[in-house]
Amino acid sequence: QVYLQESGPGLVKPSETLSLTCTVSGASISSSYWSWVRQSPGKGLEWIGDVYYTGTTNYNPSVKRRVTMSVDTSKRQFSLRLKSVIAADTAVYYCTRMTPGNDNALDVWGQGTTVTVSS
Amino acid sequence: DIQMTQSPSSLSASVGDRVIITCRASQSMTRYLHWYQQKPGEAPKLVRYGTSAFQSGVSSSFSVTGSETNFTLTIDPLQPEHVATYYCQQTYRIPHTFGQGTKLEI
Repeated sequence: QVYLQESGPGLVKPSETLSLTCTVSGASISSSYWSWVRQSPGKGLEWIGDVYYTGTTNYNPSVKRRVTMSVDTSKRQFSLRLKSVIAADTAVYYCTRMTPGNDNALDVWGQGTTVTVSS
Repeated sequence: DIQMTQSPSSLSASVGDRVIITCRASQSMTRYLHWYQQKPGEAPKLVRYGTSAFQSGVSSSFSVTGSETNFTLTIDPLQPEHVATYYCQQTYRIPHTFGQGTKLEI
């Protein structure tokens, strides 16, 4: 069974950097792409981007200038950094697995972590 | 960006009914269209990927059809545990985009 667990601060001040980590268990971090998806309060889902274990990334243009994703294979973790946050970045952030063999569907999701941007 | 439009935005049906949710893409795509179920307070869960693939651990009540720009998720028969919001997503082009969701109630 594959599990993903998000971790990081639940509160970030405006203009600062949001940093989240996702720990992978039950699967090789070298076998898939790893994605981040967020959901603003009462809203739908937004794909933020993904990262491969080699460091190759794809980002949503809506956040591309502010986002960085990376992988630490030794720790079986991947990370999201979003700089210069604003109130609109307040959301539940999910880490997910994207499997090319499943037509790039997001087949495993973490439970999500709530991040609030507020002073 | 490929825009994904779901219809209806919400619907109410009865146990045992056949429910159809539609997802329309602004550009033609092949098979990279997926469906997720999200229950209140939970993370989304993949219920079908591609156009017809079986998803391990997911009810056989779910079926999918479609191609190019029109795709459907059918739930038959509807059961109480199917109450949720359903999202379609395309992974054909970056950015991968989601539909706005369809809230299903009984």
